[in-house]
Amino acid sequence: GESVGLHLPTLSVQEGDNSIINCAYSNSASDYFIWYKQESGKGPQFIIDIRSNMDKRQGQRVTVLLNKTVKHLSLQIAATQPGDSAVYFCAENPSVGNMLTFGGGTRLMVKP
Amino acid sequence: SAVISQKPSRDICQRGTSLTIQCQVDSQVTMMFWYRQQPGQSLTLIATANQGSEATYESGFVIDKFPISRPNLTFSTLTVSNMSPEDSSIYLCSVPAGRPYEQYFGPGTRLTVT
Repeated sequence: GESVGLHLPTLSVQEGDNSIINCAYSNSASDYFIWYKQESGKGPQFIIDIRSNMDKRQGQRVTVLLNKTVKHLSLQIAATQPGDSAVYFCAENPSVGNMLTFGGGTRLMVKP
Repeated sequence: SAVISQKPSRDICQRGTSLTIQCQVDSQVTMMFWYRQQPGQSLTLIATANQGSEATYESGFVIDKFPISRPNLTFSTLTVSNMSPEDSSIYLCSVPAGRPYEQYFGPGTRLTVT
């Protein structure tokens, strides 16, 4: 759960395009994964979640894909809008209890 | 959903001093969490605070540096003691939400230590 570096990777997309944000998680025993969105000056907000017994889950304009073989999680945002500009974090629940371990985060910038 | 407020929203402090951050929730919750988010980085859990018991600290965080109070089910404080520039971060509190393992987060306290 420790941060992966001093600088967040940045994904820059054109408004209306689809965005794909990737995350590698650390614990093969994790059974629950969440994507959070953090806008500037705010705390993280829940976007979508997925359990380890699923490989895909869809929400409104967002889809989360889970590949347990390679411990990889992705968030797809359809028709990206300027309001989607934020930092996106994946989080996993690696053990019992309500703890979350956060991944390194990706900054999404949407160009009008 | 829970509404969480934090005070102060930001502060600039001198090294060697201490700052106490307050977290207020609009509903009663058993568990509250405190996170640190260093500049440009992800969130790291500092400790879990349950009402009526001592906080449980994660590896790398100690009570002498980050004392936590939890006097009731809607309030908690985190103190950053004997601050150094390395403590410059955003400090966030959170509470469990309705979905398993989901958490509601406060807006954060941006601390700069000079």
